[in-house]
Amino acid sequence: QSALTQPASVSGSPGQSITISCTGTSSDVGSFNLVSWYQHHPGKAPKLMIYEVSERPSGVSYRFSGSKSGHTASLTISGLQAEDEAHYYCCSYAGSSAVVFGGGTKLTVL
Amino acid sequence: QPQLQESGPGLVKPSETLSLTCTVAGGSLTNGYYYWGWIRQPPGKGLEFIGNIYFSGNTYYNPSLKSRVTIALDTSKNQFSLKLNSVTAADTAVYYCARGGASQMLYAMDVWGQGTTVTVSS
Repeated sequence: QSALTQPASVSGSPGQSITISCTGTSSDVGSFNLVSWYQHHPGKAPKLMIYEVSERPSGVSYRFSGSKSGHTASLTISGLQAEDEAHYYCCSYAGSSAVVFGGGTKLTVL
Repeated sequence: QPQLQESGPGLVKPSETLSLTCTVAGGSLTNGYYYWGWIRQPPGKGLEFIGNIYFSGNTYYNPSLKSRVTIALDTSKNQFSLKLNSVTAADTAVYYCARGGASQMLYAMDVWGQGTTVTVSS
């Protein structure tokens, strides 16, 4: 299976909203509502932010939301804060127990 | 929430076998609601799913690594392990263990270890 496609970088100013896209195929994102998103600060463990396309785990800010249309999933962060600066990875189930990650997106808060 | 901790050698010689262990504290490997997985991040690159194992013993391995990977459970020690043989410099990475959902939060990984750096070099 191939990695999901994410933009290498996105940026926004504090208070703004940004959206990170994650494009897959009919074998993964397009076939299953099992997309998750992870926030990764350097040197730390990745943190689950969204699961099953749009569900937020307990303790994750309401500013983080997820959606999907066709083969593309999206993560939106509203009211950008400095601490949101990190790498973000999407991940999708791809059938037969397979899991595939996106290449990652670096979010810069200007 | 349980805590996961990776352990193992930080340096492995080319062509040898990389062996890592993930110890689960505050949770049980025998809980059928979860799977237990390994993920790695080579320097300057993104996350790569290596594979996972369920309490049943069923495993999944990334096709690109399948011929070299073994993941196993040791329920007596509440640990699971990763073995990757015939390593090369391309296997140099930070290796993470994680818990994933098998019944709820399907396939999402909600608990991660801190990661351990493994360098392949002679």
